[in-house]
Amino acid sequence: DVKVTQSSRYLVKRTGEKVFLECVQDMDHENMFWYRQDPGLGLRLIYFSYDVKMKEKGDIPEGYSVSREKKERFSLILESASTNQTSMYLCASRGSSNQPQHFGDGTRLSIL
Amino acid sequence: AQSVTQLGSHVSVSEGALVLLRCNYSSSVPPYLFWYVQYPNQGLQLLLKYTSAATLVKGINGFEAEFKKSETSFHLTKPSAHMSDAAEYFCAVSDRGFQKLVFGTGTRLLVSP
Repeated sequence: DVKVTQSSRYLVKRTGEKVFLECVQDMDHENMFWYRQDPGLGLRLIYFSYDVKMKEKGDIPEGYSVSREKKERFSLILESASTNQTSMYLCASRGSSNQPQHFGDGTRLSIL
Repeated sequence: AQSVTQLGSHVSVSEGALVLLRCNYSSSVPPYLFWYVQYPNQGLQLLLKYTSAATLVKGINGFEAEFKKSETSFHLTKPSAHMSDAAEYFCAVSDRGFQKLVFGTGTRLLVSP
């Protein structure tokens, strides 16, 4: 089974802090994704990466950046955290083109 | 642009009753379609996927979905609900290129004894 591991289940940070969310997958997948999930809005794509050091903006990239230095690891960075970034963050990975995305358990981030 | 509409943010059924969760999609190209389930405080788990093989797709936990191109629908069904089916369900669509997923807003299934 594919394993996607997010480093923290719960995280509390303060406004203005730089926040790092880490995601690791163990299936040598080329493609990795970061979403945020908010009630009534479903999942919205923040950034994705289709190869090491490659990244593409998703639908809501403002206030976020990403890093993919190694194939198995995809990091989401909140450059200066704000209260409107309080949310559930989900990481996913995918292999070949007709395969589904596999999700981690999520990080519930609170910005105070 | 692709989009997904899930009718009903909440659906309530009795244990043993039919489960029907509705999903309509919009896509200018032949789509791939997915249903995911999310249990409390967990990530999303794939229930089933349609990738242009049989239009009736069977998934895990007794769920199935039928792709109807003429209706642009991909409704999820289960003949008999179980208490353990209580969760949030997401329908998603992607194109066949890079395959970014576009999710619906989710339907919370409530199962009463």
